[in-house]
Amino acid sequence: TQLLEQSPQFLSIQEGENLTVYCNSSSVFSSLQWYRQEPGEGPVLLVTVVTGGEVKKLKRLTFQFGDARKDSSLHITAAQPGDTGLYLCAGGLKTSYDKVIFGPGTSLSVIP
Amino acid sequence: EAGVTQFPSHSVIEKGQTVTLRCDPISGHDNLYWYRRVMGKEIKFLLHFVKESKQDESGMPNNRFLAERTGGTYSTLKVQPAELEDSGVYFCASSQGLAGGWWRNEQFFGPGTRLTVL
Repeated sequence: TQLLEQSPQFLSIQEGENLTVYCNSSSVFSSLQWYRQEPGEGPVLLVTVVTGGEVKKLKRLTFQFGDARKDSSLHITAAQPGDTGLYLCAGGLKTSYDKVIFGPGTSLSVIP
Repeated sequence: EAGVTQFPSHSVIEKGQTVTLRCDPISGHDNLYWYRRVMGKEIKFLLHFVKESKQDESGMPNNRFLAERTGGTYSTLKVQPAELEDSGVYFCASSQGLAGGWWRNEQFFGPGTRLTVL
């Protein structure tokens, strides 16, 4: 059974601070996706990384896929209140179309 | 363009009753997925339709759950009879699939249906 772990589970920081969220697994994934979910809504895809060692940037967000494709990190620079939400990583299983395995999520709260 | 919609947004039923959840994917999306998050756990895959066919239903918990996608458009997920452990948020997602020679696999999620079984 493939499992994804995320840390920290909860994070509360002041506006302007930097933070990193981690996603780890003992399994190798064909791709790794990061989603953000806000209350009452479904997850929204932020990025997909597919190559070991890949780094993608989305404004103040930097995503990295581990060399062995078992782990990933999300770094946010100068966090803003609008970044508040639940950040989910999900590992893609190429053998089963687009089936993904979700991690439990990191709940981020950015205090103005 | 409308996103994925789900109905109802909330449902409260008693143990033993039947509930039917509906999902309308984005128009033109061949792939439709059902997921579920129970309290305190991660979002888990239930099943995947390609058009009207079930591609993968390995995540369906048991035979009390029945999903259909007649005509390859909207989908329903019926729980009969509902049990306490079925409570949670049920998400539907859709993706376009093969289009213009490219695989467009980004999944767009609906807002979910919160099911409470008393």
